[in-house]
Amino acid sequence: ETGVTQSPTHLIKTRGQQVTLRCSSQSGHNTVSWYQQALGQGPQFIFQYYREEENGRGNFPPRFSGLQFPNYSSELNVNALELDDSALYLCASSPSRVGAEAFFGQGTRLTVV
Amino acid sequence: AQTVTQSQPEMSVQEAETVTLSCTYDTSENNYYLFWYKQPPSRQMILVIRQEAYKQQNATENRFSVNFQKAAKSFSLKISDSQLGDTAMYFCAFMKYGNQFYFGTGTSLTVIP
Repeated sequence: ETGVTQSPTHLIKTRGQQVTLRCSSQSGHNTVSWYQQALGQGPQFIFQYYREEENGRGNFPPRFSGLQFPNYSSELNVNALELDDSALYLCASSPSRVGAEAFFGQGTRLTVV
Repeated sequence: AQTVTQSQPEMSVQEAETVTLSCTYDTSENNYYLFWYKQPPSRQMILVIRQEAYKQQNATENRFSVNFQKAAKSFSLKISDSQLGDTAMYFCAFMKYGNQFYFGTGTSLTVIP
């Protein structure tokens, strides 16, 4: 166990709906990153939060948004869900030093129908 | 842009034997970090080994070692004395400043009893 927890573990939503995924970072880690892992693919970087500010973003549309809270936990929000948003969403927590190992949660499996 | 290529979608190895997983990457950066992560069916990504690009010495962690060839942009993972618990997806990942991972598409490794 890494100490990074994500909720919920599974979720089914209808196209057009909105969803919020949650992540509790490991103690002492101030950086949280979110990744989307489509079936059979490697994880793709969505964005990163450092001390409550967005600190980098991948090639994802604005309907993917996030928050980081003072305790460094984080949320990923996706609006106007599309079928292609179906994927495993992974949260990774790390300290801020460059090159540091990231600890991943077990992921949230999102299915959009 | 950074790209990571894993050319072996699936591999298998007999228990107690040695297997090597391949990874190549493309970058114009000089300072970066390379990782191998393991993703078992539980979905949680687990760090296997980490290499700093400015270090010439290949990283080792017990039964796991890497062959890092910076000029060739190659970063292969060798697993010695393979165990049943090594069965998983293995992802090669590149990281530069900003602590964002760029993952390959993964290699599914099966250890055969």
